[in-house]
Amino acid sequence: EVQLLESGGGLVQPGGSLRLSCAASGFSFSTFAMSWVRQAPGKGLEWVSAVSGGGSTTYYADSVKGRFTISRDNSKNTVSLQMDSLRAEDTAVYYCAKKSGSGHYNLDYWGQGALVTVSS
Amino acid sequence: QSALTQPASVSGSPGQSITISCTGTSSDVGGYNFVSWYRQYPGKAPTLMIYDVSNRPSGISNRFSGSKSGNTASLTISGLQAEDEADYYCTSYTSSVPYVFGPGTKVTVL
Repeated sequence: EVQLLESGGGLVQPGGSLRLSCAASGFSFSTFAMSWVRQAPGKGLEWVSAVSGGGSTTYYADSVKGRFTISRDNSKNTVSLQMDSLRAEDTAVYYCAKKSGSGHYNLDYWGQGALVTVSS
Repeated sequence: QSALTQPASVSGSPGQSITISCTGTSSDVGGYNFVSWYRQYPGKAPTLMIYDVSNRPSGISNRFSGSKSGNTASLTISGLQAEDEADYYCTSYTSSVPYVFGPGTKVTVL
């Protein structure tokens, strides 16, 4: 059974940093790209960042480019999102999601989310 | 990274069919057959309902179907049931980033 478990959420002041982690199990982790998707309170889903299975290729939404860094440790089956220079508008539930197989672009499994609140 | 467009809300009576549209451009929806749809209940994580425009993952009811014409993709829910009341999001692969989401459509069962 595929499981994705996010951790590291919490309250941080504007301009501060936070690191989210996602522990994966139940599949061959290094084979699949992973993404982070966020949802601000009462708002829709926003794709944030993605990393390839090997970790060498990364993608970012314009809204976080230069502030967030995605990475993965295939020896520990974890993917992380380092968030720096946080702003109030980064407040959201952050979901970790697994990309389906090669040749497809959809997110077939999602974690339950981690809440990040940016406020003074 | 322009977002896709969806109607804010769609409603229907039990047993009816409804269709949710998702409009993009030739750089996303129109250019690739990588449109997917997600259902989200309040406070819960999204669930994949349709992938690659018209394919259903294992375990998803055949009451859900997807299609695409030009720059617009559609999700149709037939035989509407109370449990279908939720938010639905479309997403597409794009020429610049792997995913762009629509704003979501709230489906109400009357």
